[in-house]
Amino acid sequence: DQQVKQNSPSLSVQEGRISILNCDYTNSMFDYFLWYKKYPAEGPTFLISISSIKDKNEDGRFTVFLNKSAKHLSLHIVPSQPGDSAVYFCAAKVTGGGADGLTFGKGTHLIIQP
Amino acid sequence: GAVVSQHPSWVICKSGTSVKIECRSLDFQATTMFWYRQFPKQSLMLMATSNEGSKATYEQGVEKDKFLINHASLTLSTLTVTSAHPEDSSFYICSARADRDQPQHFGDGTRLSIL
Repeated sequence: DQQVKQNSPSLSVQEGRISILNCDYTNSMFDYFLWYKKYPAEGPTFLISISSIKDKNEDGRFTVFLNKSAKHLSLHIVPSQPGDSAVYFCAAKVTGGGADGLTFGKGTHLIIQP
Repeated sequence: GAVVSQHPSWVICKSGTSVKIECRSLDFQATTMFWYRQFPKQSLMLMATSNEGSKATYEQGVEKDKFLINHASLTLSTLTVTSAHPEDSSFYICSARADRDQPQHFGDGTRLSIL
């Protein structure tokens, strides 16, 4: 079963507008969440993360929001730029445990239109 | 900073051969490296976690005798797919992390095709 879900395979946004990518999770043990960006033929690149003790983390144009009660997080990109066109992966992990690999969603392909 | 190099990027080989994939952290020391696999239209799935100098921890359903992992130094981990068969064809990608408080940084992956 998919513990991290990104229900939108793709999203199209006009340049300059806000892009909102969503992610839901089912495992209540997850306490650390990350967003990665991936261009074709390259590995994922770390974007931003958030710990479960916070509900918001901001880094430049990127903001991640965490709603623990809803087991939902979102990545906001504003303003969206053409270079933001990529596949975005949501990932989660349980910190403090022996095994701390990441559990990934399937990704959302963000397309920024000029 | 935080560059991870993975080699080779693409391998095509005959069924029954063994294939070695290397993962190197170029500008930091990786105490932990991870190996993932991705099938088409699926998410990255963790195969194993390796800490430098110790045996790898494999996820449920991953055969440790088929996927040999060696993490002999703080900058190099290798994944060897032994006696590869067509069903092993997939995209394999590694990541490395300096310590538990740091995010994982990924290589560019290896496309493995077994004929």
